[in-house]
Amino acid sequence: NAGVTQTPKFQVLKTGQSMTLQCAQDMNHEYMSWYRQDPGMGLRLIHYSVGAGITDQGEVPNGYNVSRSTTEDFPLRLLSAAPSQTSVYFCASSPSGPLETQYFGPGTRLLVL
Amino acid sequence: GENVEQHPSTLSVQEGDSAVIKCTYSDSASNYFPWYKQELGKRPQLIIDIRSNVGEKKDQRIAVTLNKTAKHFSLHITETQPEDSAVYFCAASSNDYKLSFGAGTTVTVRA
Repeated sequence: NAGVTQTPKFQVLKTGQSMTLQCAQDMNHEYMSWYRQDPGMGLRLIHYSVGAGITDQGEVPNGYNVSRSTTEDFPLRLLSAAPSQTSVYFCASSPSGPLETQYFGPGTRLLVL
Repeated sequence: GENVEQHPSTLSVQEGDSAVIKCTYSDSASNYFPWYKQELGKRPQLIIDIRSNVGEKKDQRIAVTLNKTAKHFSLHITETQPEDSAVYFCAASSNDYKLSFGAGTTVTVRA
């Protein structure tokens, strides 16, 4: 099993550009989530999904969209990138929810100029 | 929503000494409290967790204690080793499908 994978590893964007961060898991997990990690602020939840076709907002959802068309994939879309979205983004998954081990992907480092 | 505060933000200990990290949470309905370790440039990984029906849990050199009345929980690392140097995050969840993390503690173990 590859576990949780994320692409790309690193991306540079210009302000106003859009892009999609990819996340996939091969463990048949129902629960998937996206976090951003900024210095001194820990991991903040952006969006989460409890299963295919079901998504909801986390703590910091503004400027991001998600969809969950399959159990395996949970892409994060930046609609119009802003410098404030410069961060490291982690995708995570677990069998059914937050009350169990979260398996994190390797992260995507995003720089918005 | 849940608010998790974590202290200290940095911690430097001599190899072989103990390290203690403390967290407080705001939502009395929270019932799951995991700790994650993140080595430099790596992804966070679960090291230990505790549920609200348990007051203490140990796993070799790592232990976690929970005080539900005071709404705080702590991570204890004994006999610290260089490989314990990392960022540690506490978290809390009340099964509203959200997991809230603290800001992290950077632990440095001095040889």
